[in-house]
Amino acid sequence: EIVLTQSPGTLSLSPGERATLSCRASQSVSSSFLSWYQQKPGQAPRLLIHDASTRASGIPDRFSGSGSGTDFTLTISRLEPEDFAVYYCQQYGRSLLTFGGGTKVEIK
Amino acid sequence: EVQLVDTGGGLIQPGGSLRLSCAVSGFTVNANDMSWVRQAPGKGLEWVSVIYKGDDTTYYADSVKGRFTISRDNSKNTVYLQMNSLRAEDQAIYYCTRLHYYYMDIWGKGTTVTVSS
Repeated sequence: EIVLTQSPGTLSLSPGERATLSCRASQSVSSSFLSWYQQKPGQAPRLLIHDASTRASGIPDRFSGSGSGTDFTLTISRLEPEDFAVYYCQQYGRSLLTFGGGTKVEIK
Repeated sequence: EVQLVDTGGGLIQPGGSLRLSCAVSGFTVNANDMSWVRQAPGKGLEWVSVIYKGDDTTYYADSVKGRFTISRDNSKNTVYLQMNSLRAEDQAIYYCTRLHYYYMDIWGKGTTVTVSS
């Protein structure tokens, strides 16, 4: 089973700042199989990025994904008030799926 | 409109059974891969199960294998999660999702399962 480790656990930033979130896999993951989700309190998660770097429909271009192999990154170029939330990475491998533990982006 | 409506949660005693339903509109369940994801109170997301289109192959997280069963009823365009031998650690919000290729592009609002005596 591939384990995804997200860091940091919490990121305290101000609106307008850049956020860089990390997702590290215990084994190499195909870029096609790495996705990112955003979850706000009381809501279901929402797909942000798939195939490591492709924005889902309706996602603003301040969100970008990158990486390959075991190291992947979600970047929010300039934080808007609505971006403060928890972010999860997810991988698919051998018909099974796993999520990382999440990174909370909070207002500083 | 594409929508997943997940229902069936509630309060159940340890060792009991519950069946969750996910009513789908806007696409057909038999032409899509469908999955369940759960989230324990204050915790992160945990993938639970998937049913693949075509041959209906199913897979489960180790934490629920042998106790949970995913299935679908094409005539009702609905996906189910039968949960048996429930434990305190199964207490969570359960989300139905569509698995599109390798990512979950559509999510239900979730249904809450509480396991307590």
